[in-house]
Amino acid sequence: GAVVSQHPSRVICKSGTSVKIECRSLDFQATTMFWYRQFPKQSLMLMATSNEGSKATYEQGVEKDKFLINHASLTLSTLTVTSAHPEDSSFYICSARGTSGRSPYEQYFGPGTRLTVT
Amino acid sequence: QKEVEQNSGPLSVPEGAIASLNCTYSDRVSQSFFWYRQYSGKSPELIMSIYSNGDKEDGRFTAQLNKASQYVSLLIRDSQPSDSATYLCAVNVNDMRFGAGTRLTVKP
Repeated sequence: GAVVSQHPSRVICKSGTSVKIECRSLDFQATTMFWYRQFPKQSLMLMATSNEGSKATYEQGVEKDKFLINHASLTLSTLTVTSAHPEDSSFYICSARGTSGRSPYEQYFGPGTRLTVT
Repeated sequence: QKEVEQNSGPLSVPEGAIASLNCTYSDRVSQSFFWYRQYSGKSPELIMSIYSNGDKEDGRFTAQLNKASQYVSLLIRDSQPSDSATYLCAVNVNDMRFGAGTRLTVKP
């Protein structure tokens, strides 16, 4: 149990375009989803937290107009990187917390999306 | 002071040895503690959770928690080369805070 999927796993896009990443909880209801970014050899950086049906809460320094997060259902959250630039190239990872049948505090990570902006 | 601190390593142990990974945290009201394993280029995978003082064992892994000392550790017995990864300590208060991770290498 507690499986989280992400799509796509890898994406290459041109500078100035937008990219949407989907995160799904497959076997539990995710009341809260988190989006992280990780640059090579660096630690996870929390970008935003979203609760189903509510606006996302962004961490300091993360542009909410650039990184659009939608958590429309208990199993799906999306992150859209708008007007992507090469410096946005990174490994984006979602995680979910909810009614997995275990601790409500445990977070389960998706496999990640590697974004390359050319 | 960082909320969650880990020795960045790298920590290198021979195959079959015990690997000991340590973590300290700053918020005394923390109640939930987790260890994640992250292989290079992959996302973190939850391997242990611990909520009360003492030891919790799961196979070759033992998590130890000491709330008075604000310290949590992970022991890996009979270390295998496949255990080579970065281990992230995470502490939950209102949300999850991760340490920077300790890179472990198990040499055959």
